[in-house]
Amino acid sequence: AQSVTQPDIHITVSEGASLELRCNYSYGATPYLFWYVQSPGQGLQLLLKYFSGDTLVQGIKGFEAEFKRSQSSFNLRKPSVHWSDAAEYFCAVGAPTNAGKSTFGDGTTLTVKP
Amino acid sequence: DADVTQTPRNRITKTGKRIMLECSQTKGHDRMYWYRQDPGLGLRLIYYSFDVKDINKGEISDGYSVSRQAQAKFSLSLESAIPNQTALYFCATSGLAGFNEQFFGPGTRLTVL
Repeated sequence: AQSVTQPDIHITVSEGASLELRCNYSYGATPYLFWYVQSPGQGLQLLLKYFSGDTLVQGIKGFEAEFKRSQSSFNLRKPSVHWSDAAEYFCAVGAPTNAGKSTFGDGTTLTVKP
Repeated sequence: DADVTQTPRNRITKTGKRIMLECSQTKGHDRMYWYRQDPGLGLRLIYYSFDVKDINKGEISDGYSVSRQAQAKFSLSLESAIPNQTALYFCATSGLAGFNEQFFGPGTRLTVL
């Protein structure tokens, strides 16, 4: 079975500072990995995804994530956070053998200080 | 227009009432999902459907039922609502390609008194 852990429930950063949100997954083979963002009162929006190939993937809104097989991690990064980045972030894992389903982490809430 | 729509957006109901949440999509996707979101618990899968004739239980299906009326429509019903079903409910879709990437509706906030 696949699973996802987001170790940080809540992170606070200052505007302009760098950001890293952690995600660890459990799956026996190469998984499909996703980061979604949920702004207040809205549904989830895909930020980026990894299927294969280059382990550093670029997403929307200036985000990137790096797949590290040896650490079973897929951490999300942004070099300079904007106040509008305040939201909840979800890491998710899918697999070709799991009939199209994704498993979501519990989420990390990001607060941005002025 | 939004690709995935949910109605209603907010609903307050009483214990024991039957309620239906509706989801429609214009993405042409075969796969549709219903999730429940509770604070600190992330998204939990209630039901999913890979086509009109293929409906499957997710991890928390007890107390819920679904109907896939057409490729574009997937409804979630609570036959007899109870307070611990108070939550934010999301519908999502995915295509056969796209490797499980999902597209979400805006959510329905349900309160059961």
